[in-house]
Amino acid sequence: GAGVSQSPRYKVAKRGQDVALRCDPISGHVSLFWYQQALGQGPEFLTYFQNEAQLDKSGLPSDRFFAERPEGSVSTLKIQRTQQEDSAVYLCASSSPGQGSTLYNEQFFGPGTRLTVL
Amino acid sequence: KNEVEQSPQNLTAQEGEFITINCSYSVGISALHWLQQHPGGGIVSLFMLSSGKKKHGRLIATINIQEKHSSLHITASHPRDSAVYICAAHNYGQNFVFGPGTRLSVLP
Repeated sequence: GAGVSQSPRYKVAKRGQDVALRCDPISGHVSLFWYQQALGQGPEFLTYFQNEAQLDKSGLPSDRFFAERPEGSVSTLKIQRTQQEDSAVYLCASSSPGQGSTLYNEQFFGPGTRLTVL
Repeated sequence: KNEVEQSPQNLTAQEGEFITINCSYSVGISALHWLQQHPGGGIVSLFMLSSGKKKHGRLIATINIQEKHSSLHITASHPRDSAVYICAAHNYGQNFVFGPGTRLSVLP
């Protein structure tokens, strides 16, 4: 497909379980972003990759959250020892550097993974 | 105070009405985006603008950099326009600061 894909689309986990959420960005897109969207709220930034380098992880809420993009394409967001407050939609977006600047790039969003922690 | 605010939070309109959604921001931005999010979570980028005005079909987005304010207008609204509209400020890093969204319902 031509768009950003995420899997699984829905994940139910018991409190304390580890989960792994996958993002397949648009082929060739250098930048990849993870966002967390709680019910009824706007998305909030979690972390950002440029190729395989994680340039900003300031939005990760705790050390239970870990993201990687080892080959600069597919990314995985891992949440260890899930808690109920982790329940949210996790959105992935990718973008490609524009001409001369990376500051004005449109982000293409995936459909999200809805995580419910019981 | 949130860095990006939107108003109204919820909006119900009759089909055909002209709709305005407002966004104000307090951060320095390199660009401002308007996004549309349908039930089920999918987000579509509508506009990315750093100055002036852009138009696409029935949608118009404007931005006033001095006043740190942007508006999204929908002309001749239609029920299929029902969605959450999110304003996102692209700061001088690579990430977005999102507004809380405006939930629009257009009734037939």
